[in-house]
Amino acid sequence: GQQLNQSPQSMFIQEGEDVSMNCTSSSIFNTWLWYKQDPGEGPVLLIALYKAGELTSNGRLTAQFGITRKDSFLNISASIPSDVGIYFCAGRGGIQGAQKLVFGQGTRLTINP
Amino acid sequence: DSGVTQTPKHLITATGQRVTLRCSPRSGDLSVYWYQQSLDQGLQFLIQYYNGEERAKGNILERFSAQQFPDLHSELNLSSLELGDSALYFCASSAGTPGYEQYFGPGTRLTVT
Repeated sequence: GQQLNQSPQSMFIQEGEDVSMNCTSSSIFNTWLWYKQDPGEGPVLLIALYKAGELTSNGRLTAQFGITRKDSFLNISASIPSDVGIYFCAGRGGIQGAQKLVFGQGTRLTINP
Repeated sequence: DSGVTQTPKHLITATGQRVTLRCSPRSGDLSVYWYQQSLDQGLQFLIQYYNGEERAKGNILERFSAQQFPDLHSELNLSSLELGDSALYFCASSAGTPGYEQYFGPGTRLTVT
């Protein structure tokens, strides 16, 4: 099935650094979502974006819905140890159907203290 | 805690067997979604039910089936299991209308030996 191109696949950073990751698609989406998954747990919704160009923050997290509707990015500022995990982007809507989510492959974030 | 529950948490079975995974959605949510997450793959959408009826189908094998009961809980049945079916299976629920986000359960880890 269709997937999103998420990059980078993994990141190794120092505590306190800022983090940036993004997702691109060959087709448009009506909604972009960012989830975080801890080992052995289900994905947890971090941010939802509903409008092209929209910029939304959730604490130290900021995400944007690209103007073309084919991309999104997530930034984490001043990383802390609990930010470790796998971050997934997901797109919904467009030709894929109204409610089906299409997920990226994930960005694995590791933080060195 | 997302409010979505899944049982069992772990399941180990042999090839050729059949298993049933169970999901209870968040209180008030009418839609249930099933996803498969393999080691080298992202989250793959399998199937969605809304208020007891199948709403959307993804990459679900013919050996797999699902249903949603009148009390809105859902079961995913996997039969003639193969080694490649070993994966994490997640259930998510939402209010059902486009624009209402999906919240994921903790998952069931299936190991086929």
